[in-house]
Amino acid sequence: GNSVTQMEGPVTLSEEAFLTINCTYTATGYPSLFWYVQYPGEGLQLLLKATKADDKGSNKGFEATYRKETTSFHLEKGSVQVSDSAVYFCALSDSGGGADGLTFGKGTHLIIQP
Amino acid sequence: DVKVTQSSRYLVKRTGEKVFLECVQDMDHENMFWYRQDPGLGLRLIYFSYDVKMKEKGDIPEGYSVSREKKERFSLILESASTNQTSMYLCASSSQSGRNYNEQFFGPGTRLTVL
Repeated sequence: GNSVTQMEGPVTLSEEAFLTINCTYTATGYPSLFWYVQYPGEGLQLLLKATKADDKGSNKGFEATYRKETTSFHLEKGSVQVSDSAVYFCALSDSGGGADGLTFGKGTHLIIQP
Repeated sequence: DVKVTQSSRYLVKRTGEKVFLECVQDMDHENMFWYRQDPGLGLRLIYFSYDVKMKEKGDIPEGYSVSREKKERFSLILESASTNQTSMYLCASSSQSGRNYNEQFFGPGTRLTVL
């Protein structure tokens, strides 16, 4: 079956620090990979995605590269802000059309201190 | 602006009650999903639907049922609520075609407490 493993945290960083949140996956097919973000009191929002090997997804200064050889999709940001404090979920979908549900990691709680 | 709405943000029910959670999307999406979110467990798929009147079990369907009578609406039903169903419930939808065909859009969630 499919699974996603990510560091759980909480991860606490100072403002302007470099961020890496690791994500590795196992999948039976050739999945699409996603990072979702959940701000306090809200639902999940798509942060970025990649649909094939070596694709790089990017948004709001965050980046992640689809690495098929290491089955990884690590999230990075060069300089975090207090407003980046949230829970980040790595997820995969191995069905064309997204007709099946996503498989999520357990989430990483990120806390950025001023 | 795309939107997925859920009928309640907070809900408190008693053990044994029948509970309905409603979800509506305005994006004409074919696929709709119900997840529950629990600390340390992430999101787990309960049920999903890829068409009107169609439903498929997810990873944890026990104790739940769903209804999809119209394309825009997907209801989650707890036939007899139990305390272990206290959780955050998230609805999502996605399209089967187009540029964002495999992206799921989420509602704000319903935090259900069963006493």
